[in-house]
Amino acid sequence: DVKVTQSSRYLVKRTGEKVFLECVQDMDHENMFWYRQDPGLGLRLIYFSYDVKMKEKGDIPEGYSVSREKKERFSLILESASTNQTSMYLCASRTTSVDYEQYFGPGTRLTVT
Amino acid sequence: RKEVEQDPGPFNVPEGATVAFNCTYSNSASQSFFWYRQDCRKEPKLLMSVYSSGNEDGRFTAQLNRASQYISLLIRDSKLSDSATYLCVVNQNGGFKTIFGAGTRLFVKA
Repeated sequence: DVKVTQSSRYLVKRTGEKVFLECVQDMDHENMFWYRQDPGLGLRLIYFSYDVKMKEKGDIPEGYSVSREKKERFSLILESASTNQTSMYLCASRTTSVDYEQYFGPGTRLTVT
Repeated sequence: RKEVEQDPGPFNVPEGATVAFNCTYSNSASQSFFWYRQDCRKEPKLLMSVYSSGNEDGRFTAQLNRASQYISLLIRDSKLSDSATYLCVVNQNGGFKTIFGAGTRLFVKA
């Protein structure tokens, strides 16, 4: 079974803190994704990585950066957390083929106070 | 206009009912289509891919209408366990751009 794990299920941070969210997948997938999910808005793509050290901005990259130094690990960084970044963050991975599904991690509920 | 639109619901149906959801997409160049299911406080999981010829998996049937730019999901003989949010997913531009609908909530009641 494909497994995607995320470093924390719940996280509480203060405004201005630097926040790291880690995602690891064990299926040697090339593509990895970071989304945030908010009520009424669905999942919105923050960043996408199609291979090691490669990244593409998604629809809402402002205030975020990413790092993909190893194939299995994709990190999301909030350089200076703000209250409007309070959300559920979901990581996903997929093979290169667009016809295949994305596998999601359990999500990290981030609260910025 | 959103790129992928779904009726948010909720749809409240009795056990055994048939229920259908539609999802419209705006980009005619969209390449692949999926339905995902998301249970409360859980991650989305693939329910089924949607093929041009339509496809069926047990009680679930998915259809794609490229001319009208919508996909549909039909659930027959609803079970209590079908209660979830159903997400429509569209891939564009070689799959680099994946767009999720906001989801349709379904409640199946005894």
